Amino acid sequence: DAGITQSPRHKVTETGTPVTLRCHQTENHRYMYWYRQDPGHGLRLIHYSYGVKDTDKGEVSDGYSVSRSKTEDFLLTLESATSSQTSVYFCAISGQGNEQYFGPGTRLTVT
Amino acid sequence: GENVEQHPSTLSVQEGDSAVIKCTYSDSASNYFPWYKQELGKRPQLIIDIRSNVGEKKDQRIAVTLNKTAKHFSLHITETQPEDSAVYFCAATTNTGNQFYFGTGTSLTVIP
Repeated sequence: DAGITQSPRHKVTETGTPVTLRCHQTENHRYMYWYRQDPGHGLRLIHYSYGVKDTDKGEVSDGYSVSRSKTEDFLLTLESATSSQTSVYFCAISGQGNEQYFGPGTRLTVT
Repeated sequence: GENVEQHPSTLSVQEGDSAVIKCTYSDSASNYFPWYKQELGKRPQLIIDIRSNVGEKKDQRIAVTLNKTAKHFSLHITETQPEDSAVYFCAATTNTGNQFYFGTGTSLTVIP
């Protein structure tokens, strides 16, 4: 597996609390992505980054924010978690050759 | 933006038979088409990909074909084995690779 880690791997939180998920890569790839995966919807892009401090929205960005202060780290923040944000979150990285590799995932449950 | 459709959503085959999964895309600018395999509880794993300058690519029992004119591409798995059982996703992206657009997945079951 490409050098991608996610933390935490599992989290249970209450509605209305802030949550931050971390993605860390050791591949020095330019592009980093956050997806959520829900049954029947496949993988949906939340936000992505094309460099330090350079980010853009994906198709399901409402309720999420991101930051990338270093090449290796991409943070996803849920400012005020809702039950609809219960999901599995995958980070991914991509280099010049387009190949995209996924992290191990974070299972988030909002109660 | 790009729209990727994937069919079928579920597929069952007997061990040793072939399996075919098809995807269509809408944006003619898309030129890179990866396929991912996701086993239960695991991350999606890149298994094969194809770029728009070729029509077919093979890797042992798996192959991908691309028809740019019709805007569709397919995954072919021959001599299926039980360990091929998983969810398979297709995707499309442009040369800049800024955004990947995924199909909704095909759950493949290989019956021993």
